[in-house]
Amino acid sequence: NAGVTQTPKFQVLKTGQSMTLQCAQDMNHNSMYWYRQDPGMGLRLIYYSASEGTTDKGEVPNGYNVSRLNKREFSLRLESAAPSQTSVYFCATSGLGYGYTFGSGTRLTVV
Amino acid sequence: DQQVKQNSPSLSVQEGRISILNCDYTNSMFDYFLWYKKYPAEGPTFLISISSIKDKNEDGRFTVFLNKSAKHLSLHIVPSQPGDSAVYFCAASRNDYKLSFGAGTTVTVRA
Repeated sequence: NAGVTQTPKFQVLKTGQSMTLQCAQDMNHNSMYWYRQDPGMGLRLIYYSASEGTTDKGEVPNGYNVSRLNKREFSLRLESAAPSQTSVYFCATSGLGYGYTFGSGTRLTVV
Repeated sequence: DQQVKQNSPSLSVQEGRISILNCDYTNSMFDYFLWYKKYPAEGPTFLISISSIKDKNEDGRFTVFLNKSAKHLSLHIVPSQPGDSAVYFCAASRNDYKLSFGAGTTVTVRA
């Protein structure tokens, strides 16, 4: 089925460790996004990519980096994880309209 | 500072009755508004949207109302069904396809 695939689904990191969250879409969409969801805060945009080869900061980019590897893949990297980055991370894509398609999320805990 | 606010964290409604979810926004540049629905352990899914040139949009049991002067929108679900129990996010955009989300409202439909 067409959609957005995120890996891993769960991850526990120690403070200071690094990791990369992977996202791949098979919908041939140009735009891809990374959001984090925290209780009482809703979803906040970390980074987005309007097209292959371009990336821009969103609302909460500090502590993260991204790579738009090709049209299908958009990865999010935590270079030195902190407890404040404990969250659920969602990748999303959009085509010509506003209706985003989200992945099922990565639940990250930093201890 | 959140530009999209959902001030009711939760809503409980009896099956068959109307559910009314409210959302306020502060940015007058927003021109497109959406509602997303989220089940546990899944990503949000698009539910319904409305452009700022309209004041109402209906899709089956779901109707979204927009009051631009009050910077307020609402989602009506009639009749509410057990499968409607989920978290509902209000979102808004400034015609750049980046979405700002509210904190969400958890709806519980009682049998």
